[in-house]
Amino acid sequence: QVQLQESGPGLVKPSETLSLTCTVSGGSIRTYYWSWLRQSPGKGLEWIGHVYSSGSTEYNPSLKSRVTISLDMPKNQFSLKVRSVTAADTAVYYCARGRMSCSGGSCYERFDPWGQGTLVTVSS
Amino acid sequence: QSVLTQPPSVSGAPGQRVTISCTGSRSNIGAGHDVHWYQQLPGTAPKLLIYDNNNRPSGVPDRFSGSKSGSSASLAIIGLQAEDEADYYCQSYDSSLSGSNVFGTGTKVTVL
Repeated sequence: QVQLQESGPGLVKPSETLSLTCTVSGGSIRTYYWSWLRQSPGKGLEWIGHVYSSGSTEYNPSLKSRVTISLDMPKNQFSLKVRSVTAADTAVYYCARGRMSCSGGSCYERFDPWGQGTLVTVSS
Repeated sequence: QSVLTQPPSVSGAPGQRVTISCTGSRSNIGAGHDVHWYQQLPGTAPKLLIYDNNNRPSGVPDRFSGSKSGSSASLAIIGLQAEDEADYYCQSYDSSLSGSNVFGTGTKVTVL
């Protein structure tokens, strides 16, 4: 049974870079998509982006200019970096496995399972 | 800002049926994109409840069912139980601009 666990600093200063790591156990990151999502009171649930096992990435257009997601195969981990953070980036950050279902030439991603989440506060 | 709209709250007595709507537009649900549903119990991470509009993952009780029509989707809970008190979110894909996975605004289900 695949399990995911987020780790990283809980407090980041404005204008700095938020960095989180997701450790995957019970399965390999060499298959599936691996996503980051966040949840804040003001904006609800938001998909940040994902990385495929090949290393290819896709990001939410609203965050694309500030975000990088990457894989660390030997450690079975994937990571998130959000640059130039502001208070609006304060949220609970989740990592999750993305599973695709395809039909009629279109593919749709669902997230299962999720990590327990980690609160990141942006404040000086 | 969420592009899928859900009612903020719904409630029902144990054993009753409740439904949660998820209203989108021509660039997401109305474009034929599949809808998934998640349950978030207090203090926990979201959990996949329904995928591809009407499929239940292994272990999800059959009192949960999903449907989709036009630009909207619905989650029904038939035979509401106390442990169903949680927040529920729909998710789909939006093909406007560069495209992205998008979530609903969320619905709090209260068991009376």
